[in-house]
Amino acid sequence: DAKTTQPPSMDCAEGRAANLPCNHSTISGNEYVYWYRQIHSQGPQYIIHGLKNNETNEMASLIITEDRKSSTLILPHATLRDTAVYYCIVRVVDNFNKFYFGSGTKLNVKP
Amino acid sequence: EAEVAQSPRYKITEKSQAVAFWCDPISGHATLYWYRQILGQGPELLVQFQDESVVDDSQLPKDRFSAERLKGVDSTLKIQPAELGDSAMYLCASSLRGTGGETQYFGPGTRLLVL
Repeated sequence: DAKTTQPPSMDCAEGRAANLPCNHSTISGNEYVYWYRQIHSQGPQYIIHGLKNNETNEMASLIITEDRKSSTLILPHATLRDTAVYYCIVRVVDNFNKFYFGSGTKLNVKP
Repeated sequence: EAEVAQSPRYKITEKSQAVAFWCDPISGHATLYWYRQILGQGPELLVQFQDESVVDDSQLPKDRFSAERLKGVDSTLKIQPAELGDSAMYLCASSLRGTGGETQYFGPGTRLLVL
């Protein structure tokens, strides 16, 4: 029961910014948006998360729209090692605080 | 940096056999999760522990799957008997208390192939 919609794949040139969109139109006010990535055959790796405000860390920036119905993950200078499947996740705040993974976006960084 | 450990990394078994996976979460993490990931799809939660108690196993096929975390630290996921459709990656994750706003940290996974 994924609560997010992402494009199945995107291409990005090495050294350029990668902007990965995500729609989460049914998100509730206290539900967080998380981004993880999964490089082939490895476990998912945490990137960033946010609730209402934009967030930045050493890996990426997260831009959340004012109505919170969509967000964008920005990798400022993509490298070949950023080729992976990127998952946008809404964390439902209830008794269990479950993560709902969708199918993700396969980002192909090309030289 | 502390990591979630899983073993084995790969497992090949025949259908109708029993198989078990082990997970050691990050020290001090009270919440432990088991996920199943079918090729080409995102992970799906099978079971969630808070300390030694199961708090959510609504997606666990209980006729063949079982999970335990006896001392509230490491955990074992078992399948008996294994079926062809169980071929997948089994991921373990942990977080401090399982509250909203916390990060889940994933292990490297166990890739299961059932022949």
